[in-house]
Amino acid sequence: GESVGLHLPTLSVQEGDNSIINCAYSNSASDYFIWYKQESGKGPQFIIDIRSNMDKRQGQRVTVLLNKTVKHLSLQIAATQPGDSAVYFCAEISPGYSTLTFGKGTMLLVSP
Amino acid sequence: SAVISQKPSRDICQRGTSLTIQCQVDSQVTMMFWYRQQPGQSLTLIATANQGSEATYESGFVIDKFPISRPNLTFSTLTVSNMSPEDSSIYLCSVGSRGAYEQYFGPGTRLTVT
Repeated sequence: GESVGLHLPTLSVQEGDNSIINCAYSNSASDYFIWYKQESGKGPQFIIDIRSNMDKRQGQRVTVLLNKTVKHLSLQIAATQPGDSAVYFCAEISPGYSTLTFGKGTMLLVSP
Repeated sequence: SAVISQKPSRDICQRGTSLTIQCQVDSQVTMMFWYRQQPGQSLTLIATANQGSEATYESGFVIDKFPISRPNLTFSTLTVSNMSPEDSSIYLCSVGSRGAYEQYFGPGTRLTVT
């Protein structure tokens, strides 16, 4: 099907490698962040979240790092698999709001 | 997380016509949102669908172009009115709970306007 990642930066890795996807967020006051995975033809899928009072959070095979000093968020995927191939978006929420602001997205391509 | 469905999954429409997209959730949710995702782009919030009151629109989106209904806590519709080719996008609904920040998304509706 049509890909949503045609105009997005792309990270290509080999199966089994560790992947690091980066995101620069816009609002220094944002206090909550989410990483989403979007496969072709599907809606975004929640992966992991982190609050601004933390600098690291681990899930299953994924770790999110938050550096508030430089407004930077990263998603680390361990032992990347072909099923991890997708577009990854970070999203932020500012205090007092319930709406998400999405980053530009990165396409991850995993070759066997 | 809730199971979210959207209808139609895709459609091809002629310019000047309107299309209504439905979003159905399998459980009651307080917050429902509508997003647009243009080809190769990120997601942009169109509006927050409020049950029992008018939707809250983001800058650049207006009710006349994107009327929204939210008749109950499990259902919402978005209408794309008087369509032009620039409206060709994926339209996504999402749901959330008041007091919780995470949102869960439906599969999207892929709209092509010719």
